[in-house]
Amino acid sequence: AQTIHQWPVAEIKAVGSPLSLGCTIKGKSSPNLYWYWQATGGTLQQLFYSITVGQVESVVQLNLSASRPKDDQFILSTEKLLLSHSGFYLCAWSLTTNTEVFFGKGTRLTVV
Amino acid sequence: GEQVEQRPPHLSVREGDSAFITCTYTDPNSYYFFWYKQEPGASLQLLMKVFSSTEINEGQGFTVLLNKKDKRLSLNLTAAHPGDSAAYFCAVSDTGGADRLTFGKGTQLIIQP
Repeated sequence: AQTIHQWPVAEIKAVGSPLSLGCTIKGKSSPNLYWYWQATGGTLQQLFYSITVGQVESVVQLNLSASRPKDDQFILSTEKLLLSHSGFYLCAWSLTTNTEVFFGKGTRLTVV
Repeated sequence: GEQVEQRPPHLSVREGDSAFITCTYTDPNSYYFFWYKQEPGASLQLLMKVFSSTEINEGQGFTVLLNKKDKRLSLNLTAAHPGDSAAYFCAVSDTGGADRLTFGKGTQLIIQP
């Protein structure tokens, strides 16, 4: 069975500090991977997607970056956090772009 | 681009009553519609995927209605029970693909005993 694991579960960070959120998918090779973000009171927005190792497409510009260093790993990061980065970050995977997407449990980020 | 408006943002109903959540969308080329449930601390769980050709879709304890003329997608939880307490999200796609999902803002549903 496939599992998706996100870390950390929650994080409180200072403005201007760096951030790294991680996601791993086990039990499925070469999945499509996605990062979604939900600001408090806002809607879920897709930030990045990746269909293969080393290849990441940006959907929304938020002064964040994403990388896929391994087939089963997706990293979201920034060198300088802004207050507006606060929110809920979800990692997700799908078999192809036309199949069901499965979500991780998310990371709650608070920037102070 | 596609915009999805979901209402209400918060809903409280008594156990045994019905709960009704609605999403309206803007893109007439949307063909795939989704309802997700998110319990506290858990992932988004797909409740139902609906294709544009089907107006009434029955699930276990709920019904999903699609009105393409009005561009409206509805979720009706019948005889709500405490396990239905969760956040519910609708999503719309023109391709059915995970790369083209547009979500509503979500509805926080509380079932009161």
